[in-house]
Amino acid sequence: SQQGEEDPQALSIQEGENATMNCSYKTSINNLQWYRQNSGRGLVHLILIRSNEREKHSGRLRVTLDTSKKSSSLLITASRAADTASYFCATDAGGGNKLTFGTGTQLKVEL
Amino acid sequence: GAVVSQHPSRVICKSGTSVKIECRSLDFQATTMFWYRQFPKQSLMLMATSNEGSKATYEQGVEKDKFLINHASLTLSTLTVTSAHPEDSSFYICSASDRYQETQYFGPGTRLLVL
Repeated sequence: SQQGEEDPQALSIQEGENATMNCSYKTSINNLQWYRQNSGRGLVHLILIRSNEREKHSGRLRVTLDTSKKSSSLLITASRAADTASYFCATDAGGGNKLTFGTGTQLKVEL
Repeated sequence: GAVVSQHPSRVICKSGTSVKIECRSLDFQATTMFWYRQFPKQSLMLMATSNEGSKATYEQGVEKDKFLINHASLTLSTLTVTSAHPEDSSFYICSASDRYQETQYFGPGTRLLVL
């Protein structure tokens, strides 16, 4: 399987704290994307980082990419209870936007 | 943003029956649609990729005669689970993109329960 690994599998933090999730993958990529999934729902695209980029920001989200280590991290700053969800990284290795999803991190933000 | 709908959101059927799930892109033309399967607390597994007007490309281990995919128009793809069995019970999610997009836009998913 080419599926990436994410860690931690589960993360529980207090509101206001930062949450960091890591993703490792196996093949060369065109880009890496992060998605969020609320329980029993579809996925929402959060951010895309291309293989020639090292860091990207979007609101409270910060994504880094290290292609030499084939890894990425997603940082959510000043977390809120509404950030509670599962977060998946997905890699695009080229060829028709086909994505390979990581195993996911379940984030719980407590009040 | 781009909106993708799925219908039905939930379906319960008897073993041996066939179930059709629709995936529609509401405000853009989806040249490519993807079908995923997700088990509880697990990641998404790509089942097949369909391009408008051509046959779907199935991932290894996915039975094309079991999971029939049709992408007859730029806004609609259907997945038919034929002769469903309890082990087909799962959460099925579609996504869509056009040739200009690097991201996929996901539908809300369909929960299938086969009794």
